[in-house]
Amino acid sequence: AQSVSQHNHHVILSEAASLELGCNYSYGGTVNLFWYVQYPGQHLQLLLKYFSGDPLVKGIKGFEAEFIKSKFSFNLRKPSVQWSDTAEYFCAVILWEGGGADGLTFGKGTHLIIQP
Amino acid sequence: DVKVTQSSRYLVKRTGEKVFLECVQDMDHENMFWYRQDPGLGLRLIYFSYDVKMKEKGDIPEGYSVSREKKERFSLILESASTNQTSMYLCASSFVAGGPIEQFFGPGTRLTVL
Repeated sequence: AQSVSQHNHHVILSEAASLELGCNYSYGGTVNLFWYVQYPGQHLQLLLKYFSGDPLVKGIKGFEAEFIKSKFSFNLRKPSVQWSDTAEYFCAVILWEGGGADGLTFGKGTHLIIQP
Repeated sequence: DVKVTQSSRYLVKRTGEKVFLECVQDMDHENMFWYRQDPGLGLRLIYFSYDVKMKEKGDIPEGYSVSREKKERFSLILESASTNQTSMYLCASSFVAGGPIEQFFGPGTRLTVL
């Protein structure tokens, strides 16, 4: 079964610091990759996604992620974080075998706290 | 905009009660999903459905069942609630396409079983 590993469970940064959250997955087939974010008290929202093509994908709020197939990684980055980026971040993978009716496999999440 | 709604934001039930969690999506999506979210464990798939009256077990189906009588509605049923089912439950939906798919999530139902 495929699995997703997020390296850091809790990250604390100061405003304007750079951010990189690691994500590795275990499956070697064709996958679609996602980062979701959950702000305090809000529902899960899509931050960005990779389906194919350019391995560097840009999402909302200045986030980007790079898909490195050889490393089975999909790390999330932001050059300069803001206090409003405080949230829980989830990496997710879905196996693409036509139709895509399977559920997402999520990492355990990274709780990011930005200190003013 | 895709809208996925869940019947309750907060629910408190007693051990042994039968519990129904309802989810409705308004975008004519074929696929619907139920996840539970627990601190330190992320989201885990309970059940999913790719068509009316069709259902598939996810990673943690024990203690749960589902019902999909209409395309837009997907219900999660706890036949006899237990305290270890206290959790946040998230519903999601997606459409079937010839390519990759993205899931859209509802706001969640926080269930407490006493």
